[in-house]
Amino acid sequence: EIVLTQSPGTLSLSPGERATLSCRASQSVTSNFLAWYQQKPGQAPRLLIYGASRRATGIPDRFSGSGSGTDFTLTISRLEPEDFAVYYCQQYGSSPMYTFGQGTKLEIK
Amino acid sequence: QVQLVESGGGVVQPGRSLRLSCAASGFSFTGYAIHWVRQAPGKGLEWVAVISYDGINKYYADSVTGRFTVSRDNSKNTLHLQMNSLSIEDTAVYYCARGLGGGYNSPFDYWGQGTLVTVSS
Repeated sequence: EIVLTQSPGTLSLSPGERATLSCRASQSVTSNFLAWYQQKPGQAPRLLIYGASRRATGIPDRFSGSGSGTDFTLTISRLEPEDFAVYYCQQYGSSPMYTFGQGTKLEIK
Repeated sequence: QVQLVESGGGVVQPGRSLRLSCAASGFSFTGYAIHWVRQAPGKGLEWVAVISYDGINKYYADSVTGRFTVSRDNSKNTLHLQMNSLSIEDTAVYYCARGLGGGYNSPFDYWGQGTLVTVSS
């Protein structure tokens, strides 16, 4: 089973700043099948990025994903107030076994 | 628009059973694998199970294998999760989610709002 480790656990930033979230896999993610989700309190997760770098439909271009192999990054170029949430990475390359990272909480500083 | 609506959650005693449902609309249900994902209170996401578009292939997380069964009724655009021998550790919000590309090597592009299952004596 591929274990995904996200860092930091909590990130405190101000609106307008740049956010960089990390996701490290215990082994190489097949075909870079790595996704990022955003979850706000009381809501279901929302798909942001898949295939490590492809934005999902309707996702603003301030969200970008990068990386390959075992190291992946989600970058939010300029934080908007609505971006403060919990972010999860997920690998779907070892299907049909899927794993999520433990999450990074992005909070307002 | 794509919609997934879960139902069937509630409070159940340890060792008992519960059946969740997920009603789909706004897309061609028979073209997609559908997943169950759960989230314990204050915790992260855990994948639970997936069923293929035709209902033939089913896969489960180790934590639920032998206790949970996923099924689908393509004539009614509905998915089910039969949960037996429930334990306190199964307490969570349960989401159904659609695989983006229809197959297994896909992220989850649409999610329901979730249904809460509480296992407690």
